[in-house]
Amino acid sequence: GNSVTQMEGPVTLSEEAFLTINCTYTATGYPSLFWYVQYPGEGLQLLLKATKADDKGSNKGFEATYRKETTSFHLEKGSVQVSDSAVYFCALSDISGGSYIPTFGRGTSLIVHP
Amino acid sequence: DVKVTQSSRYLVKRTGEKVFLECVQDMDHENMFWYRQDPGLGLRLIYFSYDVKMKEKGDIPEGYSVSREKKERFSLILESASTNQTSMYLCASSFSLGGAETQYFGPGTRLLVL
Repeated sequence: GNSVTQMEGPVTLSEEAFLTINCTYTATGYPSLFWYVQYPGEGLQLLLKATKADDKGSNKGFEATYRKETTSFHLEKGSVQVSDSAVYFCALSDISGGSYIPTFGRGTSLIVHP
Repeated sequence: DVKVTQSSRYLVKRTGEKVFLECVQDMDHENMFWYRQDPGLGLRLIYFSYDVKMKEKGDIPEGYSVSREKKERFSLILESASTNQTSMYLCASSFSLGGAETQYFGPGTRLLVL
């Protein structure tokens, strides 16, 4: 079956530090890949996505590149802010039994200190 | 903006009670999903629906049922609540875009079963 593996958190950084959150996946088909973010007390919201190999998704200074050869979709940001503190989920969508089924990683908590 | 609403933010129920969690979306999305979110386990798919009156089991359907009588509404039912169903429940909806669809999440219902 499909699976998504993310690095365990929490990741604790100082403001303006470089961020990387690793994500690797296993899929039977050719999935689309996503990063979602969950701020405290809220539901998840899409941060960025990529639908084919070598695509780069980007939003709010965050980037991730779909790497088919390494089955990875690592999230990066050059300079984090306190407001980026949240839980980040890597996810894929792949066809199964005729429907596109989403699969989420376990989430990585990011804490940014001033 | 897409809006997904859930009937309650917090709910306290007793073991054995029948519990209804309601989700409504206002963007005419075909697909709707119910997840539970637990610390260290991420999001796990309970049920999803890709059309009115259609439903499919996710990864952890045991102890749950769903109902989708109208396109905009997807209900999760706990037939006889148990303490191990204490969790955060998230509803989501999406268009069908061949796997590239973004999921839009509600704010979540935190359920405590005593």
